[in-house]
Amino acid sequence: DTGVSQNPRHKITKRGQNVTFRCDPISEHNRLYWYRQTLGQGPEFLTYFQNEAQLEKSRLLSDRFSAERPKGSFSTLEIQRTEQGDSAMYLCASSPGLAAGALGFFGPGTRLTVL
Amino acid sequence: KQEVTQIPAALSVPEGENLVLNCSFTDSAIYNLQWFRQDPGKGLTSLLLIQSSQREQTSGRLNASLDKSSGRSTLYIAASQPGDSATYLCAGSFQKLVFGTGTRLLVSP
Repeated sequence: DTGVSQNPRHKITKRGQNVTFRCDPISEHNRLYWYRQTLGQGPEFLTYFQNEAQLEKSRLLSDRFSAERPKGSFSTLEIQRTEQGDSAMYLCASSPGLAAGALGFFGPGTRLTVL
Repeated sequence: KQEVTQIPAALSVPEGENLVLNCSFTDSAIYNLQWFRQDPGKGLTSLLLIQSSQREQTSGRLNASLDKSSGRSTLYIAASQPGDSATYLCAGSFQKLVFGTGTRLLVSP
């Protein structure tokens, strides 16, 4: 396994459009996390899954954001009616289920630019 | 509230210097402490992971320590090189990672 992958790597969209990002975690990891990072800041937690169950969502995740992990493998993060403030790097990470606490195996990120 | 703070926010040193980056956290119920490196526009590369039962970890020129009782971790970089220039992030591991805002390091030749 080559690690966590994310697609697309870059996305440019116009305000009001919907976008969807995909994350493929390390295959034996059953926890999957989404974070968002804006310029000059550290990553901020958005949501996480244990297998297919979404266990926690940040207040940052407005009702325009939805994340799924339907079969406990890959995950998608959708942003509806994008706004310029959504422009950021969206990072996905996976972690072994048996680990106490989250471990950071990160993908390369998807950079979103909303025009 | 779980918060992580990093100082300094930015650091500029000449090549060859030894340097220390600081990280503090408010919640001592931390599972692990992880240090990452991030190059401009790129993702996060894990440098060192210190489990809560450990006090330090070493990898090459990097040494990280963890003191849960005082809520502090330090990353020591020996004999800095221009290739070390990057942003260094620490993250406290709870059910999720809680990140500091990072230290931007510039090592000049």
